[in-house]
Amino acid sequence: LAKTTQPISMDSYEGQEVNITCSHNNIATNDYITWYQQFPSQGPRFIIQGYKTKVTNEVASLFIPADRKSSTLSLPRVSLSDTAVYYCLVGGSGGYNKLIFGAGTRLAVHP
Amino acid sequence: DAGITQSPRYKITETGRQVTLMCHQTWSHSYMFWYRQDLGHGLRLIYYSAAADITDKGEVPDGYVVSRSKTENFPLTLESATRSQTSVYFCATSSGGIPDTQYFGPGTRLTVL
Repeated sequence: LAKTTQPISMDSYEGQEVNITCSHNNIATNDYITWYQQFPSQGPRFIIQGYKTKVTNEVASLFIPADRKSSTLSLPRVSLSDTAVYYCLVGGSGGYNKLIFGAGTRLAVHP
Repeated sequence: DAGITQSPRYKITETGRQVTLMCHQTWSHSYMFWYRQDLGHGLRLIYYSAAADITDKGEVPDGYVVSRSKTENFPLTLESATRSQTSVYFCATSSGGIPDTQYFGPGTRLTVL
C-alpha cells in the first residue's frame, strides 16, 4: 500500500505562499497523487491531481519530482478561508480499496 | 440539484441497535463509497460499490453491511452498533476509473452510547 506521510499541522499568514509536502516512498508505477481539502463539518473537496512534474489549476499547484516519492501542494497567497485540513492521497493501480487517506495536514492561516 | 445527500445528519443510538445511514446521489455516478472519519485517523474506507449490485470491502469493513439495489442509493447498515463505531461517516461518489475525483457528501455524525 502506498502510505503517505504529511506534517500534522502548519501555520501561515494571509498573503503568504504555503507548501505542504507529502511523502509516499512506495508509490506504484500507475499511482496518481491527489489532494483534497476539508473544512470543519464538511466532506473533503478535490483540489488537484497529478502523475509527474507540475500541475497547476486556479486553486493550487502540485509539484512532483522525477522519483515521485514525494509531492508538494503549493497554495499561493493564502487567505483566512484556506484554513482547513489538506489530505494527500496516493493510489490508482490497486483498486479503490487500496486508496489511503492519511491523517492530513491542518493548516491554520492567521491575519 | 443536491448532488449527493446523506441522512440523517446526526444520529444517537445505543449499543446493540441496528442503524442505517442513507446516501443518495443525483449524478448517476457509477462508484459510491463509505468512509468513516475519526480523530487522528483521517478517512478510512469501509465499503465501496462499482455499480448496482456490485460492492467490495475497504480498509475497515467489519461490523458494517452495504447494499446497492439502485445506482443512486448506497445505504450503510450497522447491524449491531458498538461504541467503537461512533464516528463521522462520509459517503462519496465518482464517475469511475482510477484516477478519478471523488465527491463527498456532508457527513453523518453517529454517536453510539
